[in-house]
Amino acid sequence: AQSVAQPEDQVNVAEGNPLTVKCTYSVSGNPYLFWYVQYPNRGLQFLLKYITGDNLVKGSYGFEAEFNKSQTSFHLKKPSALVSDSALYFCAVRGSNDYKLSFGAGTTVTVRA
Amino acid sequence: NAGVTQTPKFQVLKTGQSMTLQCAQDMNHEYMSWYRQDPGMGLRLIHYSVGAGITDQGEVPNGYNVSRSTTEDFPLRLLSAAPSQTSVYFCASSFSRREGFMNSRQFFGPGTRLTVL
Repeated sequence: AQSVAQPEDQVNVAEGNPLTVKCTYSVSGNPYLFWYVQYPNRGLQFLLKYITGDNLVKGSYGFEAEFNKSQTSFHLKKPSALVSDSALYFCAVRGSNDYKLSFGAGTTVTVRA
Repeated sequence: NAGVTQTPKFQVLKTGQSMTLQCAQDMNHEYMSWYRQDPGMGLRLIHYSVGAGITDQGEVPNGYNVSRSTTEDFPLRLLSAAPSQTSVYFCASSFSRREGFMNSRQFFGPGTRLTVL
């Protein structure tokens, strides 16, 4: 069975500092990896996805993610966080043998001014 | 395009009542799914469909039914509501022929907040 772990419930950073949100996964076959963001009382919005061959993926709003096959990780990063980045972030994975998309529990990011 | 729409936005039910959460998309997406979101548990997949006439169970299907008679609509039925079904429900759709199914991003509806008393 496939699964996603986001080991940190909360991440707090100061504005202008780098932001990292961690994600590890377990799937059968090749992984299809995604990051989504949820602002209060809203649905989820797509940030970025892993594309085979590109270990560093660039996405919306200045976010990027680093794929590490040996560590089965797909950490989300932003070099300089903004207060407006404060939200709930979800990592998701789909295995190449499965239609289902599995989500992690989510990480709440708070960026203080 | 309206994207993914869900109705109602809010609903309060009594234990034992039944109801249908509506979901529609106008993007001609083949894949549609229902999730529930509970604090600390992320999104859990209830049911999904890879095309009209085809549905399958997700992680937490008990107490829910779905059908997919058209590409556009994917209603979720609660057969006999229980307090454990109090949650926020999200419908999502995806599949871009350009991207390929497995790599497609999902588009989410705004959610339905359900309370079962």
